[in-house]
Amino acid sequence: NAGVTQTPKFQVLKTGQSMTLQCAQDMNHEYMSWYRQDPGMGLRLIHYSVGAGITDQGEVPNGYNVSRSTTEDFPLRLLSAAPSQTSVYFCASSFQTSGIETQYFGPGTRLLVL
Amino acid sequence: GENVEQHPSTLSVQEGDSAVIKCTYSDSASNYFPWYKQELGKRPQLIIDIRSNVGEKKDQRIAVTLNKTAKHFSLHITETQPEDSAVYFCAAIPSGGYQKVTFGIGTKLQVIP
Repeated sequence: NAGVTQTPKFQVLKTGQSMTLQCAQDMNHEYMSWYRQDPGMGLRLIHYSVGAGITDQGEVPNGYNVSRSTTEDFPLRLLSAAPSQTSVYFCASSFQTSGIETQYFGPGTRLLVL
Repeated sequence: GENVEQHPSTLSVQEGDSAVIKCTYSDSASNYFPWYKQELGKRPQLIIDIRSNVGEKKDQRIAVTLNKTAKHFSLHITETQPEDSAVYFCAAIPSGGYQKVTFGIGTKLQVIP
């Protein structure tokens, strides 16, 4: 099992550009989510999905879109990048049918918006 | 919503000493409390967790205690080693699941050889 994978590892964007951060898991997990990590602020939930075809907003969804067409993939789209979106982005997944199961994180994508 | 406060923000200990990191939460509906370790440039990894029906859990040199009445939980690392140096995050999660997770801001632990 590769676990949770993310691409790219690093990305530099100019303000106004769009891009997609990729996330995939091979553990047949129902629950997937995206977080951003900023200094002094901990991890904050952007969007999440409880299964294929179902997505919802987290704490800080503005400026981001997600979709979940398959169980394995959960891409995060930045529509028009802003310097405030400079951050480290982590995708996570868990096998959550009921109750709370261990959450596994991907390796992260470091994004710089100029 | 939930508010999780984590203290201290930085902690330096001598190798072999114990380290204690404390988190307090505000929402009594929170019932799952994981702790994550994040090494520099790496992903957060679960090291121990505790559920609200348990007061203490131990795994080798790591233990977590939970006081539901006072709404706080703590991470205890005994016999610290240089490889314990990392940032540690606590989190509080209600029965609704990770959709409602709140993380602490993290504690940077430095173990001095």
